[in-house]
Amino acid sequence: QAQLVQSGAEMKKPGASVKVSCKASGYIFTSSAVHWVRQAPGQGLEWMGWINAANGNSIYSQNFQGRVTFTRDTSATTAYMELNSLRSEDTAVYYCARGAITVIMGWGQGTLVTVSS
Amino acid sequence: QSAVTQPASVSGSPGQSITISCTGTSSDVGSYNLVSWYQLHPGKAPKLLIHEGSMRPSGVSNRFSGSKSGNTASLTISGLQAEDEAEYYCCSYAGSDTLVFGGGTKVTVL
Repeated sequence: QAQLVQSGAEMKKPGASVKVSCKASGYIFTSSAVHWVRQAPGQGLEWMGWINAANGNSIYSQNFQGRVTFTRDTSATTAYMELNSLRSEDTAVYYCARGAITVIMGWGQGTLVTVSS
Repeated sequence: QSAVTQPASVSGSPGQSITISCTGTSSDVGSYNLVSWYQLHPGKAPKLLIHEGSMRPSGVSNRFSGSKSGNTASLTISGLQAEDEAEYYCCSYAGSDTLVFGGGTKVTVL
């Protein structure tokens, strides 16, 4: 059964960076895209982009272009999301999710990132 | 990226049917039959209910159905149950390998 397990909650100061990991199991890691989606408190889901687990190419939402980087380690079947220049508005639960380019099928449990001075 | 609009809330009594709309533009919802729907319960990860507009993954109740007309996609929940009380989000392919979520709809079972 496909499963995504994310790293634990993080607390960061404004201006810092955060890197969230997403360990995949139960499916062929390189056969799926890994999407990243966030949900700020009281807000809706926001798509951040996706990485092609096979070749490492990424597509980023315009809202995060230049501030976010997706990477993956195929030997560890793990994807990573790094967000830089954090501000309070980046406080959110960050999800990784597997799927195709056009659909998100299975989700990780979410990682709470809190940005506060 | 464009905004996809959903009603903030929809409510219904047990056993009734409700429909949640997802209105986009000719650049996303209107151009592709690639709308998916997700159910979110508080504190839990989202669950895929519908993909490609009307396709139900294995294990999803047939009480959930999807459709599309023009720039608007819809999710219908028939035979409303208490466990259906949750937030629902549509997500559309928006071209150039990008996706866009709707603003979400809170469903209340009266």
